[in-house]
Formats: sequence, C-alpha cells, structure tokens
Amino acid sequence: EVQLVESGGGLIQPGGSLRLSCAASGFTVSSNYMSWVRQAPGKGLEWVSVIYSGGSTYYADSVKGRFTISRDNSKNTLYLQMNSLRAEDTAVYYCAREYRGMAFDYWGQGTLVTVSS
Amino acid sequence: QSVLTQPPSVSAAPGQKVTISCSGSSSNIGNNYVSWYQQLPGTAPKLLIYENNKRPSGIPDRFSGSKSGTSATLGITGLQTGDEADYYCGTWDSSLSAGRVFGGGTKLTVL
Repeated sequence: EVQLVESGGGLIQPGGSLRLSCAASGFTVSSNYMSWVRQAPGKGLEWVSVIYSGGSTYYADSVKGRFTISRDNSKNTLYLQMNSLRAEDTAVYYCAREYRGMAFDYWGQGTLVTVSS
Repeated sequence: QSVLTQPPSVSAAPGQKVTISCSGSSSNIGNNYVSWYQQLPGTAPKLLIYENNKRPSGIPDRFSGSKSGTSATLGITGLQTGDEADYYCGTWDSSLSAGRVFGGGTKLTVL
C-alpha cells in the first residue's frame, strides 16, 4: 500500500529554517517525480517544488533561492529544506507523488508550518 | 491570483448534477492534461480525474472530466451530501518554471 507521511512542521520565527520530511512506503521515491504542495490557512493549493526521478529540481518563484528539495534514496524519504522563512510561508505542506499527465495520485496527510514571532 | 480560474462556489440538491469549470490559456490547459482533486474538510486532496477524463481506480463513475480548448469541466452526477468539499483543477503551465499550477478551488455545497 502506498503511503506518504510528512513530519517536521512547527512554529518558527521569521527568518528561521525548518526541514520537512516525507517518508514513503509502498513505492520507490527515486523512481518517481515527487512534489511539495502547500495550502495557506483558508486558501487554495499552491505547488512549491518538484524533484524528478533523474534528480532535476524546480521551484515556484515564491520560494526559489530559499527552499531546497532533496531525497534520501536509502531512507526512501523526500525532504524540503526551508530557509529565510516568511509569514507568507505559513501553510500546511503536503508531499505528493506525480502520476500520469502530471496529476498527483498520492498525498501525505500534511504538516503545518507556522511562521510567526 | 491563480493562473486557472474556477468559480468560488457551486451548489445543488442531493441527486442532482453539478459542473465545475476551470478556465485557462494556451500555455496551460490548452496544451496540457488537466487533473481534478477533491478535498474534504480537514483532509488532504484526493485525485478524482487525470489526463482530462480518466478516473483512478476506486473513483465512481459519478465523477467525469472533459476538456475543450482552454477550459476544462468536472461533472458530478447523483450528488450526495458526502460530496460536499472543495474541488481543484490542476495542470502544467509552459510559461512557468516546471510550472505545476492549480485553480483557486470551488466549494461545492449540497443543499
């Protein structure tokens, strides 16, 4: 059974750093395109970043230069390193697996990141 | 401001049919596949439709998707109270860096 479990969220001050983890089971992270998608409180979905199976990475303009997506193949885990955090980064962060046609077929339960002083 | 435009809300009675639109442009919907997601309150999004009109295993045929030009539509027939949720369209936008994009979401109320 495919499962994605995020962790690492919490309350962090503006300018701080946080690393999110997404532990996968039932499939191999490195063989798939994996994304992070976030949702600010009461708002819609916003795509954040993707890592391709070949290792290429891409970011939304809103996080470029501050966030880094990576994976640990030995742990079958996806990461999102978030630096220079801002209040507008406050959101539930989901990891998701990409399927055909760039659809996201499996999502984690999400982890809440709150950036506030 | 989302690249893809959805109506903020739609409503219909149980048993009825409802459609949710998603409008874009040639750089996104016009030349790429569209997917649809259902997000029940307090839960993660769930894939309903991929590649414009295909349903993943386990999604009932009450849910359907279509695309024409730069717009896509999600249809739900035989509405149930359990269908009350937020619905999002998604696609890829070639004008953005690796640009996966979502619509702003539509709140479905089953009266």
